[in-house]
Amino acid sequence: VMTQSTISLSVTPGQPASISCKSSQSLLQNDGKTYLYWYVQKTGRSPQLLIYEVFRRFSGVPERFSGSGSGTDFTLKISRVEAEDVGIYYCMQGLRLPITFGQGTRLEIK
Amino acid sequence: EVQLLESGGGLVQPGGSLRLSCAASGFTFSTYTMSWVRQAPGKGLEWVSGISGSGVTTYYADSVKGRFTISRDKSKNTLYLQMNSLRADDTAIYYCAKVGGTFDVWGQGTMVTVSS
Repeated sequence: VMTQSTISLSVTPGQPASISCKSSQSLLQNDGKTYLYWYVQKTGRSPQLLIYEVFRRFSGVPERFSGSGSGTDFTLKISRVEAEDVGIYYCMQGLRLPITFGQGTRLEIK
Repeated sequence: EVQLLESGGGLVQPGGSLRLSCAASGFTFSTYTMSWVRQAPGKGLEWVSGISGSGVTTYYADSVKGRFTISRDKSKNTLYLQMNSLRADDTAIYYCAKVGGTFDVWGQGTMVTVSS
């Protein structure tokens, strides 16, 4: 089970934001990789991959997005929030079937 | 450019059937595992099913096992989801996704509404 404890977050542009995600089981695999991913879904759009394997930014993702964590506790950080970052952020575990997502954290701009 | 284009959604009565399609382009389709992920209105994301690049191995969420069948046609670069015995709680936007380590490319989705 993936748990995102914060349902909604309101941030002033230029300020940092942090979104947490907790897994009920370790996502560390024997191959040394941790199968934790972050997606954002903007209004009316399909989800987009932001971060894979905890901290690796997907192609084209701005450097202000970073991921951290290990085992069961993970964090997505936005160093300086911009208006275009509005959306719902989901964490996802890809280690075990069924693949599961967190409930999502809605980021709003103040 | 990698693109996925879903089609086949619509309104269907409970107990009915529907087949979704996902046309893929811009990558070597047979090389990649593909998946379906759905999103009920106003809700979060739910993985539904996956299929290996060869089509030999398939995976299903418990909620659809025995009712949905995933398949792929290499010659048409198309992914399918046959949905039978549909229920109201199957109402959702259905997205197909390319699995390049994870769901790295998503289609725009197709809406399925199960209602009498």
